[in-house]
Amino acid sequence: EVQLVETGGGLIQPGGSLRLSCAASGFTVSSSYMSWVRQAPGKGLEWVSVIYSGGSTYYADSVKGRFTISRDNSKNTLYLQMNSLRAEDTAVYYCAYKGLVSGNYYTWCYWGQGTLVTVSS
Amino acid sequence: QSVLTQPPSASGTPGQRVTISCSGSSSNIGSNTVNWYQQIPGTAPKLLIYSNNQRPSGVPDRFSGSKSGTSASLAISGLQSEDEADYYCAAWDDSLNVHWVFGGGTKLTVL
Repeated sequence: EVQLVETGGGLIQPGGSLRLSCAASGFTVSSSYMSWVRQAPGKGLEWVSVIYSGGSTYYADSVKGRFTISRDNSKNTLYLQMNSLRAEDTAVYYCAYKGLVSGNYYTWCYWGQGTLVTVSS
Repeated sequence: QSVLTQPPSASGTPGQRVTISCSGSSSNIGSNTVNWYQQIPGTAPKLLIYSNNQRPSGVPDRFSGSKSGTSASLAISGLQSEDEADYYCAAWDDSLNVHWVFGGGTKLTVL
């Protein structure tokens, strides 16, 4: 069974840093497509970053240069290193996995429960 | 402002049929498939429709999706009180600086 468990959220001051973790089970992170998606309080979903199985990484313009997505294959865990945090980064952060939904079709069907990051002084 | 455009709200009475629209562009909906997610407040999004019109196992056939050109829509027939939730469309985008784009979400109220 696929499971994604995010941890690492909390209250952080503007300009600070935080590292989110997404512990995966039921599949191998290193051979998968995985993303971070965030949702500000009362707002919609916003894609943050993606890492492909080959290791390529991409970021939304709003976080480029400040956030870094990575993975630890030995721990089967996805990370999001967040630096220079701003008030507008306040959100619930979800990790998502592009998994097998039916037959041989893969799509973004698995999400973690989310972890709340609050940037405030 | 979201890349995909959805109406902010929709409503219906039990048993009715409601539709939610999602408008995009040639770089996202026009060239990639559309997913729909249902989100109960305080919980993670749940995949409702994938590949424009396919339902994952366990999703009732009251939910259906369609796509035409750069627009997509989600239809819910036989509306039930438990369908009250936020609904998001999503698609991959072929633009250089974005990858996964979402609609702003539609809050469905069952009257």
